Amino acid sequence: DAKTTQPPSMDCAEGRAANLPCNHSTISGNEYVYWYRQIHSQGPQYIIHGLKNNETNEMASLIITEDRKSSTLILPHATLRDTAVYYCIVRVRAETSGSRLTFGEGTQLTVNP
Amino acid sequence: GAGVSQSPSNKVTEKGKDVELRCDPISGHTALYWYRQSLGQGLEFLIYFQGNSAPDKSGLPSDRFSAERTGGSVSTLTIQRTQQEDSAVYLCASSLDGGYPDTQYFGPGTRLTVL
Repeated sequence: DAKTTQPPSMDCAEGRAANLPCNHSTISGNEYVYWYRQIHSQGPQYIIHGLKNNETNEMASLIITEDRKSSTLILPHATLRDTAVYYCIVRVRAETSGSRLTFGEGTQLTVNP
Repeated sequence: GAGVSQSPSNKVTEKGKDVELRCDPISGHTALYWYRQSLGQGLEFLIYFQGNSAPDKSGLPSDRFSAERTGGSVSTLTIQRTQQEDSAVYLCASSLDGGYPDTQYFGPGTRLTVL
């Protein structure tokens, strides 16, 4: 899978938008961008994924640049419960089914009251 | 709907004992993964099941580890003769069919402590 680069930590005020960047400059045309998060002592939680177009769901929005070399995860109104480590992953199509996930260092987002 | 469930949530055992960890995937999901996560570390892949195909066991760290999936649903991960280095959080994930892109949904994990 293509390597991703994320800032190690970010802070955000409660109620404000949290914008988490991710660089994936070596991404290939068939690779998806995935975001997961892991709240302390819990299992990873799927957030959103995309290929080329921007995506939005009930949790977040994913903005992918036109050249696909970077993306931003947006939590529109951050709450204290959004404090977690956020992982940006680029996933290549596996030759066989079942592509295992690999998490990098991620970004520790701390939402402050 | 119900997500992935795992039991027990916590397991404390003595070195040398056997343990069984259980995973109930999301209903209708045919693909099931086991991972483990040591303190402050990333995900370590253990094993992958897809339908009736032979499982991908390439991530199992030793022959003390085994897993089965009965009826294409519930899975059990067994660790025999546990060692202190087996202490970790064991995570189960399921996905619709393992096909690309394969959105995996995780359970809460089982925290295993080997004394």
